Amino acid sequence: DAGITQSPRHKVTETGTPVTLRCHQTENHRYMYWYRQDPGHGLRLIHYSYGVKDTDKGEVSDGYSVSRSKTEDFLLTLESATSSQTSVYFCAISGQGAPLSLETQYFGPGTRLLVL
Amino acid sequence: GENVEQHPSTLSVQEGDSAVIKCTYSDSASNYFPWYKQELGKGPQLIIDIRSNVGEKKDQRIAVTLNKTAKHFSLHITETQPEDSAVYFCAGANDNDMRFGAGTRLTVKP
Repeated sequence: DAGITQSPRHKVTETGTPVTLRCHQTENHRYMYWYRQDPGHGLRLIHYSYGVKDTDKGEVSDGYSVSRSKTEDFLLTLESATSSQTSVYFCAISGQGAPLSLETQYFGPGTRLLVL
Repeated sequence: GENVEQHPSTLSVQEGDSAVIKCTYSDSASNYFPWYKQELGKGPQLIIDIRSNVGEKKDQRIAVTLNKTAKHFSLHITETQPEDSAVYFCAGANDNDMRFGAGTRLTVKP
């Protein structure tokens, strides 16, 4: 998985609680992404980062926030989890070029989140 | 924004046969089209990609074709093997946006 780890790998939480997922890379890649994967929807971009402290929204950003204080770590936070956020979350990284169209993205192993 | 549609959603073939998965996209500015393979319990892995200045690309048993005029691209797997069984995703991207298809579950029967 190209030097990408995600933690935790599985989490069960209750509606209304905050949840933070962590993505850690050892590749020194500039760009990092958070996706969610749901049946029938493929992968949808939540947020991405193009450098330390530089982030932007993706297709489905409502209800999520992110932070990147170090090149190697990208955190995804659900401030108040809802059942609709039950999903599998994938982190991805890419290199030094412009995002999305010039660089291959490498995906982590995923985090399975269940919100009861 | 971009919209990518992928067909079929499931595909079952006999070992040794070919498999074809098709995707269409909506944004004429899209210029990068990767294909990912996802095995159970793992993250997607890039298997092949194509850029808009190329019509076809091959890598051993895998090939991708792109028709910019019709805005569609296809993945071709020849001489399929049981280890090709997985979910395959296409995607279309421009500089600001990448959208994935909903996925195709390919089953290769021995």
